[in-house]
Amino acid sequence: TQLLEQSPQFLSIQEGENLTVYCNSSSVFSSLQWYRQEPGEGPVLLVTVVTGGEVKKLKRLTFQFGDARKDSSLHITAAQPGDTGLYLCAGDKGYGNKLVFGAGTILRVKS
Amino acid sequence: KAGVTQTPRYLIKTRGQQVTLSCSPISGHRSVSWYQQTPGQGLQFLFEYFSETQRNKGNFPGRFSGRQFSNSRSEMNVSTLELGDSALYLCASSLAVGKDEQFFGPGTRLTVL
Repeated sequence: TQLLEQSPQFLSIQEGENLTVYCNSSSVFSSLQWYRQEPGEGPVLLVTVVTGGEVKKLKRLTFQFGDARKDSSLHITAAQPGDTGLYLCAGDKGYGNKLVFGAGTILRVKS
Repeated sequence: KAGVTQTPRYLIKTRGQQVTLSCSPISGHRSVSWYQQTPGQGLQFLFEYFSETQRNKGNFPGRFSGRQFSNSRSEMNVSTLELGDSALYLCASSLAVGKDEQFFGPGTRLTVL
């Protein structure tokens, strides 16, 4: 059973479309992180959200942390082929560096 | 500065054998964490080391062990390999334990035949 449920599992869209990836849990996290992983590479941190209700923007990416700090979303505006990859959410319950990861969303953006 | 390095990048072993994977953290980083990534289970935390001491441990059998050296380099060992141990093993380093960003290495792809 995944502590963090991520949806959708797979997304294939055309360049220029918008998309949202969700990360949900019944547990409260002290922070939530979003990573992007490309084949043959380790995950790369995109953002960390800490405060309930927090919204962070990174160019065309918008990250939101739920008010209760149990869920988060990643919204990409005008997706580009370079956005293709595996997107992972990870929750920190405050136990050192022990992160709990969602199963991931495979995003494919076609040109 | 150089990122996290992991060796070897690829490894093929047979059931029953044992394997040792190595991780060199970013210079100055003292915390090293290990994760197992599989298609079915995703990324799962194995253990975390800081100053040569294991600080956290995930829910893996005792066949999985690790250690950290005084220069912060870390190794993990898997004994009596099983087919289900086939996975990408990722190492992540951070300055210390807590709120610091973790930087992941490229991983070691282990295949057990």
